[in-house]
Amino acid sequence: SQKIEQNSEALNIQEGKTATLTCNYTNYSPAYLQWYRQDPGRGPVFLLLIRENEKEKRKERLKVTFDTTLKQSLFHITASQPADSATYLCALVDDAGNNRKLIWGLGTSLAVNP
Amino acid sequence: DSGVTQTPKHLITATGQRVTLRCSPRSGDLSVYWYQQSLDQGLQFLIHYYNGEERAKGNILERFSAQQFPDLHSELNLSSLELGDSALYFCASSGTRNYNEQFFGPGTRLTVL
Repeated sequence: SQKIEQNSEALNIQEGKTATLTCNYTNYSPAYLQWYRQDPGRGPVFLLLIRENEKEKRKERLKVTFDTTLKQSLFHITASQPADSATYLCALVDDAGNNRKLIWGLGTSLAVNP
Repeated sequence: DSGVTQTPKHLITATGQRVTLRCSPRSGDLSVYWYQQSLDQGLQFLIHYYNGEERAKGNILERFSAQQFPDLHSELNLSSLELGDSALYFCASSGTRNYNEQFFGPGTRLTVL
């Protein structure tokens, strides 16, 4: 079956360090993958989209890589700050059949300690 | 502020009842998506409308239905409510029909007692 997996354990890091979050998927060949941030009780906020022909994408302190051979995306936050503490979700489009839909990982909780 | 509005913010009701959740997308966005989020299941895609037409269905129960009106706002109707329907319901909108860069509303927290 088709699946997205993200680190289920919370990630705790020290302020200033780089946080690296992982998103693995099976049985998909997505054309692109998206990363969102979600704070408790609030809706997800779009961060980055990376296409299958892009190996890496950057936005300010954020960097995303996409390895279609490994079926994996890595999400990096450099020079992390306590304000980066949140849950980070990856999502990709499932094109199976004629019913296109967006599939979400369960998210990884990041805590940046001052 | 994403520009997507949802009402009500909170809803408490009893089993067997019917409720309607409302969503207004960002100005100009033609796509509206509905999601259910519970603690143990994460974000579950329910349904997608584009410019008034249903585009895709996810894990939406037969007791649930939705529509998108000519002014592009959308409503999600939940009937014969069960305890397990308690969750956060999010609406999102985007300017395309490709599921890219979705803008989420603040959600409606539904509690079924």
